[in-house]
Amino acid sequence: AQKVTQAQTEISVVEKEDVTLDCVYETRDTTYYLFWYKQPPSGELVFLIRRNSFDEQNEISGRYSWNFQKSTSSFNFTITASQVVDSAVYFCALKAAGNKLTFGGGTRVLVKP
Amino acid sequence: GAGVSQSPSNKVTEKGKDVELRCDPISGHTALYWYRQSLGQGLEFLIYFQGNSAPDKSGLPSDRFSAERTGGSVSTLTIQRTQQEDSAVYLCASSLTRDRANGYTFGSGTRLTVV
Repeated sequence: AQKVTQAQTEISVVEKEDVTLDCVYETRDTTYYLFWYKQPPSGELVFLIRRNSFDEQNEISGRYSWNFQKSTSSFNFTITASQVVDSAVYFCALKAAGNKLTFGGGTRVLVKP
Repeated sequence: GAGVSQSPSNKVTEKGKDVELRCDPISGHTALYWYRQSLGQGLEFLIYFQGNSAPDKSGLPSDRFSAERTGGSVSTLTIQRTQQEDSAVYLCASSLTRDRANGYTFGSGTRLTVV
């Protein structure tokens, strides 16, 4: 069985602060993919990043960065210098065997001006 | 099309009526997925299509829910005898192939309200 847990239900920050979203996953598969999606108030899910299970290299893309650690089954996501437009619900998701995405419960991020 | 298109965007129906929700995936995407998002909740998997067949329909909550896909393109999710607990946003997504590396492209969803 696959499971994704996002322990933080809501995070509130002031603009320009950094925000780190936690994600812990469970799977028995050795090959899997991890994703982060953003859902702004408009409702449409927007793909942000993907990482496969064989690549633990952490990267930075603009104001986004992620920390993938297989040893702790974690795939955390950081927004640097947050902006009001970053206010949204962020979902971590796992795709292993079976080809369906399993989502975490989401973390609502509120960035105040 | 350029993106995943869902219609209607909003649907209000009376309890007990049947509803049909439509999804038009990105042209050429062979895999299509339906998810449900209840208010303030995460995304719940409903069904997955590869072409016109549904290898995984394990998420359909009851036999009142059914879905079909024709021509490897448009999909329709049908809910019969709607109940208030069916109220949710129904999201459709498509991906290029069944390759696990592919992420999904989601539509904007259909907000269903059962009164």
